[in-house]
Amino acid sequence: ETGVTQSPTHLIKTRGQQVTLRCSSQSGHNTVSWYQQALGQGPQFIFQYYREEENGRGNFPPRFSGLQFPNYSSELNVNALELDDSALYLCASSLPNSGRAYEQYFGPGTRLTVT
Amino acid sequence: GDSVTQMEGPVTLSEEAFLTINCTYTATGYPSLFWYVQYPGEGLQLLLKATKADDKGSNKGFEATYRKETTSFHLEKGSVQVSDSAVYFCALSDQSNTGKLIFGQGTTLQVKP
Repeated sequence: ETGVTQSPTHLIKTRGQQVTLRCSSQSGHNTVSWYQQALGQGPQFIFQYYREEENGRGNFPPRFSGLQFPNYSSELNVNALELDDSALYLCASSLPNSGRAYEQYFGPGTRLTVT
Repeated sequence: GDSVTQMEGPVTLSEEAFLTINCTYTATGYPSLFWYVQYPGEGLQLLLKATKADDKGSNKGFEATYRKETTSFHLEKGSVQVSDSAVYFCALSDQSNTGKLIFGQGTTLQVKP
């Protein structure tokens, strides 16, 4: 069983640029969630994709957007990068069940540095 | 809104010492509760979970009991090892259709030989 993978591992961008981060979900998982983890903080929910549609969104501006593909992989796009966007971006996949105890399985993350 | 509060770290223990990391939550309804662990330079790994009141989650010697009356989910281990050094996050799964995770700020554990 293949786990959650993310690419790239590290990325350095300049303020104002755009970035795309990628995630492949665990085999059989049709739901992908993205989280932002600032240094020394807990992860914050950005949004979730289920069956290629956005299924919920956290308190992040519209310049954070995403996609999910038919194979359930996903992209996170961030436009007009700001210094505060520097963080570890985590992707998590899950398979919703009737009990709503969504066990989410995380990838290793992409470390984004904005200079 | 829902929230999770963890004890501040860092927590420094000697090998074989007893570990407790406190976690309390605020939520409407009956969320599922989780502990995740993050080793240096890595993503999050699910350590244990509990889905209803009085459930005890356990894994790799770690335990936590879902206490609804005190809205707590404290993490315990009887004898820590150097390899347990990591950041531990308490989280709840909210009641929305996303089941998104709401995390505490994390507690750093350092175990010395």
